[in-house]
Amino acid sequence: NAGVTQTPKFQVLKTGQSMTLQCAQDMNHEYMSWYRQDPGMGLRLIHYSVGAGITDQGEVPNGYNVSRSTTEDFPLRLLSAAPSQTSVYFCASRSGGQGGSDTQYFGPGTRLTVL
Amino acid sequence: GDSVTQMEGPVTLSEEAFLTINCTYTATGYPSLFWYVQYPGEGLQLLLKATKADDKGSNKGFEATYRKETTSFHLEKGSVQVSDSAVYFCALRFYGNNRLAFGKGNQVVVIP
Repeated sequence: NAGVTQTPKFQVLKTGQSMTLQCAQDMNHEYMSWYRQDPGMGLRLIHYSVGAGITDQGEVPNGYNVSRSTTEDFPLRLLSAAPSQTSVYFCASRSGGQGGSDTQYFGPGTRLTVL
Repeated sequence: GDSVTQMEGPVTLSEEAFLTINCTYTATGYPSLFWYVQYPGEGLQLLLKATKADDKGSNKGFEATYRKETTSFHLEKGSVQVSDSAVYFCALRFYGNNRLAFGKGNQVVVIP
């Protein structure tokens, strides 16, 4: 069991560039989510999905897109990167969908810098 | 809306000292409460949880009790080790709600 994996580990972008942060889990979890972590802000929810084909917005969705074509994968897309998107991004998953398990499993994170 | 407040600032203490990190929450009902730990360079890991009032969560020598009357879930450990140096996050979630609301986190540094 690899758990939750994220790639890349580090990324530097120029303003206006696009990229996709990858996230995969091998635990057959229905629920997946993306958070960003900023100093003094804790973690804030960007987008989440309760199953393949279903996504919804979290607290800070602007500037990000997601899709969920399979149970395993939940990529996060930045269409036009901005310096305000410099952050550490964490993907997480848990079982049970909407009302399921409380235990979330986090990936190791992607550190993104936008110049 | 629902929110979690953690005490301000990093915590620095000596090995074998007693650790307390305060956490209070604001919510209209009775959420599940969590403590997550983030070791340097890693993602978050669930440390302990409590799902109803007066429940005590415990793991790795850490404890926290769900106090409905004071809306608190303070984290304690009787004797910390250098390996406990990490960032600790308090969080809450309502059953059926997808959002896990986090506090800002506290950096804990344990000095040998």
